[in-house]
Amino acid sequence: AQKVTQAQTEISVVEKEDVTLDCVYETRDTTYYLFWYKQPPSGELVFLIRRNSFDEQNEISGRYSWNFQKSTSSFNFTITASQVVDSAVYFCALSEAETSYDKVIFGPGTSLSVIP
Amino acid sequence: GAVVSQHPSWVICKSGTSVKIECRSLDFQATTMFWYRQFPKQSLMLMATSNEGSKATYEQGVEKDKFLINHASLTLSTLTVTSAHPEDSSFYICSARPVGGGRYEQYFGPGTRLTVT
Repeated sequence: AQKVTQAQTEISVVEKEDVTLDCVYETRDTTYYLFWYKQPPSGELVFLIRRNSFDEQNEISGRYSWNFQKSTSSFNFTITASQVVDSAVYFCALSEAETSYDKVIFGPGTSLSVIP
Repeated sequence: GAVVSQHPSWVICKSGTSVKIECRSLDFQATTMFWYRQFPKQSLMLMATSNEGSKATYEQGVEKDKFLINHASLTLSTLTVTSAHPEDSSFYICSARPVGGGRYEQYFGPGTRLTVT
């Protein structure tokens, strides 16, 4: 079973719309880290956020916000007022204490297209 | 800070030849480096973990004799794809964990696109 699930394979939105990318994870560890990365067409991964399992506070950074809910094992990512530059593949990822955080498990990714 | 480079950024080689990819941490020393592979329109999959001065640990299903990893210093790890075949064509990404950094820290390189003809 996938440890990180991103149910949305592809999403298209019109510029200025809000969009939420879903991420559901699975772990038996009580200590773990969750990440979001952006991968534009160039291929280089861009780190967006890291959240540890003990910090359930939601976070906002500019147009980006993240909703971490341990009760539903979800770590969703919302882009407000989307822009064309947001078009990319977004990966949610998990690393666990069980593997000494060595193994970062990436979800399958969600390809976001923002249409002008 | 925390910049990781990869060289080359892209490479085309003929089937049967070997190709070496370098991963360097430019402004920090790395205890551990990781190698990932990403096929088109797929996710990143960890191939192996390497610690400076010791043998790499390979993930299940990754042929260690085909993908040779050498982590000779605290700033350089190399991945050599031996006897490359078209199915090895992929995007190879390395990451590095800083000495003294948090266990969760990994900084990713820009990737190397390998095409085997």
